[in-house]
Amino acid sequence: TQLLEQSPQFLSIQEGENLTVYCNSSSVFSSLQWYRQEPGEGPVLLVTVVTGGEVKKLKRLTFQFGDARKDSSLHITAAQPGDTGLYLCAGPKYNFNKFYFGSGTKLNVKP
Amino acid sequence: NAGVTQTPKFRILKIGQSMTLQCAQDMNHNYMYWYRQDPGMGLKLIYYSVGAGITDKGEVPNGYNVSRSTTEDFPLRLELAAPSQTSVYFCASSPGSDTQYFGPGTRLTVL
Repeated sequence: TQLLEQSPQFLSIQEGENLTVYCNSSSVFSSLQWYRQEPGEGPVLLVTVVTGGEVKKLKRLTFQFGDARKDSSLHITAAQPGDTGLYLCAGPKYNFNKFYFGSGTKLNVKP
Repeated sequence: NAGVTQTPKFRILKIGQSMTLQCAQDMNHNYMYWYRQDPGMGLKLIYYSVGAGITDKGEVPNGYNVSRSTTEDFPLRLELAAPSQTSVYFCASSPGSDTQYFGPGTRLTVL
């Protein structure tokens, strides 16, 4: 079983649409991270959220950490083809060094 | 500044063969990690290290071994390769329990 569940698994949208992807767990996390991975490359960190209820914005991307620190969401406004990629959430558990990743949301933005 | 480097980029092994995946970082990070990523999935932690001489198991350590004799290098050893070890392997480093910087990955096929 996955410690972090992401949904949806796949998302194909037109350029200009808005979308939200979710990262959920039954466990509390001290922090959650969002990464974006392009084919053939390693993941690249987008943001880390650490406080329950925290909202962080990165241009057209808005990240939220749930009040109970068990879930997070990533909202993209006016998606562009350059947003295409695999979006992964991750968090440390059991000690601050063991990171668990969700299975990812594969986003395709069509021009 | 090369960041995190991994060699080789690709490798095909026969069942039962052994090999070492190399990982090096030039950022003087204490924390280093090895992950595997199966097709369409997130990353699973194999082993991690919090400093030279200190290593610990992650989520899926069976069939692998690591060593950390220097801050810079964190090789991953596969003994008696099995088809189930076919995957893409990512090495990452971090200055603390926060941002992880990933290498480009090693794509391994075991036939």
